[in-house]
Amino acid sequence: EVQLVESGGGLVQPGGSLRLSCAASGFTFSSYAMHWVRQAPGKGLEYVSAISSNGGSTYYANSVKGRFTISRDNSKNTLYLQMGSLRAEDMAVYYCARELRSYCGGDCYYNWFDPWGQGTLVTVSS
Amino acid sequence: DIQLTQSPSFLSASVGDRVTITCRASQGISSYLAWYQQKPGKAPKLLIYAASTLQSGVPSRFSGSGSGTEFTLTISSLQPEDFATYYCQQLNSYPQYTFGQGTKLEIK
Repeated sequence: EVQLVESGGGLVQPGGSLRLSCAASGFTFSSYAMHWVRQAPGKGLEYVSAISSNGGSTYYANSVKGRFTISRDNSKNTLYLQMGSLRAEDMAVYYCARELRSYCGGDCYYNWFDPWGQGTLVTVSS
Repeated sequence: DIQLTQSPSFLSASVGDRVTITCRASQGISSYLAWYQQKPGKAPKLLIYAASTLQSGVPSRFSGSGSGTEFTLTISSLQPEDFATYYCQQLNSYPQYTFGQGTKLEIK
């Protein structure tokens, strides 16, 4: 069964740090780009960060750039999100997701996220 | 950045109704659009990718259409388990994959 399981969430003070993990199983982890998406309480989905299959390319939303670092350990089938200088507005459920692709001709690839992990809650409060 | 605007933001409907949710992109994204369903306390679940391709295992009452800047998700006959929040996502501009603000579908 293809599965993603996040961990590492919890309560942290403003300005603090936290590292989230996403353990993958049931597929060849090293073959897929991976992503982090978050959802503040009662709000919609916000795209956070991406990493290529070999870890050589990363991307961050402006809201977290310079404070968060995405990484992966393909030998451990695990994705990470190191979060620093945490703010109240970073409080959210954090989901990891696998990116799938389907070739559609020429240089065209359709893509989508599946599966998603169950999420881990990060609470930023003093 | 490409912005996605869903309409309506809230929708009240009855079991058996046909409902349509629209997602408009701020610029053309070809067919690089996915739809997800999210129930309270759960992770999003993929319904449709490439604007109109139904994910395996998703009931055929769900369908997607559109290309360019306007897309629709249609549920042909609402079932009790379909009451949830629906999100569109554009995957045109790697890796800045933005989401719509969501449409909450409630029971009338």
